Amino acid sequence: EVLLTQSPVTLSVSPGERATLSCRASQSVSNSLAWYQHTPGQPPRLLIYGASIRATGVPARFSGSGSGTEFTLTISSLQSEDFAVYYCQQYEDWPPVTFGGGTKVEIK
Amino acid sequence: QVQLQESGPGLVKPSQALSLTCTVSGALIRRDDYFWTWIRQPPGKGLEWMGYIYYSGSTNYNPSLESRLSLSVDTSKSQFSLKLTSVTAADTAVYFCARGYRSNIEYYLDSWGQGTLVTVSS
Repeated sequence: EVLLTQSPVTLSVSPGERATLSCRASQSVSNSLAWYQHTPGQPPRLLIYGASIRATGVPARFSGSGSGTEFTLTISSLQSEDFAVYYCQQYEDWPPVTFGGGTKVEIK
Repeated sequence: QVQLQESGPGLVKPSQALSLTCTVSGALIRRDDYFWTWIRQPPGKGLEWMGYIYYSGSTNYNPSLESRLSLSVDTSKSQFSLKLTSVTAADTAVYFCARGYRSNIEYYLDSWGQGTLVTVSS
């Protein structure tokens, strides 16, 4: 089973600032990685797939990068609606599909 | 726009079976490129992929749940369902259904239901 480790667990950022989230895989997952945003009371939302491809309707301030075992989600200028929990998910080596433990982006 | 909605009991007794249904609207369940997927999230914890079912009925389960989990699909009702047997308190979670887009190289979850909390307690 591929383990995904996200860091930091909590990220305190001021609105308008840049946020950088990390996802590390226990073995190479090539570019088979997705990112999701989860706001309380809402369904999780797909942001990125293929490590760097923005899903339909996702603002350009969200970008994904990386391959192999190291991945990054960057939010270039945080908006109020971006404060949420973010999860990475790998689909290179499955079953099972696995998720990271999440990074909570909170208002500083 | 596709919508998914989970339904089922919010409280299940230990050792009994947990059954949930996901109703799909705004999209055809009989599509080659979708895996109809269940994910759960225990309180305060991360997401756990449970498994998927294809419209043909073929399934793929998380090995950690395989002995207790059964997925089914009813294409005439645009619904898919899960049944988890012999539940314990560890199965208390928010259960999400989702649409998984599949291709030769992709399997990501592009639409999710709101989730439904199931508590296992006597």
